Amino acid sequence: GQQVMQIPQYQHVQEGEDFTTYCNSSTTLSNIQWYKQRPGGHPVFLIQLVKSGEVKKQKRLTFQFGEAKKNSSLHITATQTTDVGTYFCAGRSGGSYIPTFGRGTSLIVHP
Amino acid sequence: DTEVTQTPKHLVMGMTNKKSLKCEQHMGHRAMYWYKQKAKKPPELMFVYSYEKLSINESVPSRFSPECPNSSLLNLHLHALQPEDSALYLCATAGGIPDTQYFGPGTRLTVL
Repeated sequence: GQQVMQIPQYQHVQEGEDFTTYCNSSTTLSNIQWYKQRPGGHPVFLIQLVKSGEVKKQKRLTFQFGEAKKNSSLHITATQTTDVGTYFCAGRSGGSYIPTFGRGTSLIVHP
Repeated sequence: DTEVTQTPKHLVMGMTNKKSLKCEQHMGHRAMYWYKQKAKKPPELMFVYSYEKLSINESVPSRFSPECPNSSLLNLHLHALQPEDSALYLCATAGGIPDTQYFGPGTRLTVL
């Protein structure tokens, strides 16, 4: 079955440092979504990428979808304490209409 | 803010109790989901309803029984649960941007 690997599992950064989390799929994806879950909260949709090589930005967040549509990354520039949380990718391959979640990357920002 | 609501926020139940979790959405979405999430883990899909019909059951034990009374409501009936069923139960809907899921705030369930 489809697998979506996400690394790292945890990342500690000092406030102001950059942060990146990576997702890799065992199969070509139709699309990939990114979600953020704050501690004690629920996953909140951030963005969806569909096209090969697509890059989207939301303020300090940059999302990329690989040319082969098998990998994706989320990069945060100059982290802030409000960025704390777990970031999940969720990818869907053509054979399923249910996205598969990566295990998530927990970001801890030290002031 | 969320347009998907879930009640109750917290639930503590014994192994012999019967309880229900409720989810309501007013987004007009036709797909509704139940997920189970353990601490430090991703959401784990349990059930999918599409147009009020159960379309996916991810081999969930029969002590969990879903119900979709109408396009806005989704219930999860619980009976004879085990302590290992303690988790955050999330409802989600999808319909706008394809595949994008909108999660409710969840019900934090503790089984004693």
